[in-house]
Amino acid sequence: AQSVTQPDIHITVSEGASLELRCNYSYGATPYLFWYVQSPGQGLQLLLKYFSGDTLVQGIKGFEAEFKRSQSSFNLRKPSVHWSDAAEYFCAVGKASGTYKYIFGTGTRLKVLA
Amino acid sequence: DAGVIQSPRHEVTEMGQEVTLRCKPISGHDYLFWYRQTMMRGLELLIYFNNNVPIDDSGMPEDRFSAKMPNASFSTLKIQPSEPRDSAVYFCASSLNQGPYEQYFGPGTRLTVT
Repeated sequence: AQSVTQPDIHITVSEGASLELRCNYSYGATPYLFWYVQSPGQGLQLLLKYFSGDTLVQGIKGFEAEFKRSQSSFNLRKPSVHWSDAAEYFCAVGKASGTYKYIFGTGTRLKVLA
Repeated sequence: DAGVIQSPRHEVTEMGQEVTLRCKPISGHDYLFWYRQTMMRGLELLIYFNNNVPIDDSGMPEDRFSAKMPNASFSTLKIQPSEPRDSAVYFCASSLNQGPYEQYFGPGTRLTVT
């Protein structure tokens, strides 16, 4: 069965520190992969996506993610975190064959210390 | 581009009352999704439409919930009668019918049933 795992429920980092949020998926073929961010009281905003090509993808707000097929991972990174990055982050997988349902991870809540 | 529009943003109602949530997808998008978000269950897909036709309603919790999409620019999610356990944030999202099928989310409707 398809699944998405975000092993870290909460992460706390200091402002200016680097960040890596983990995402592991279980899927038989190459999936479409997404990272979304949800600020308090807001909807989900697409940060970046992967569906083919270069396995290192760049997104908005200085985020990047790397698709590693051998590890079934799609981890999100940022070299220097800003206080405004405090939010909840969701990894999602969509089927490459065109089924339009996402499977979402349970989210990682990021806290940024000043 | 106005993005996905949802109304109302907040709804407070009493148990037993009918509640109608509204969504206007991004113009030209073929797919529309309704999600529910709670602390306990995270993000749940309730139903999705393709070209105004419901494709998968397996996530609709029970017969009290119904969704319609009378045209390409409008959808409703109705709960009748409402119960306190329906309290949640309801999101609408839309996407194009082409890879990688990323979904764009509205700001959500926060529903409180007392």
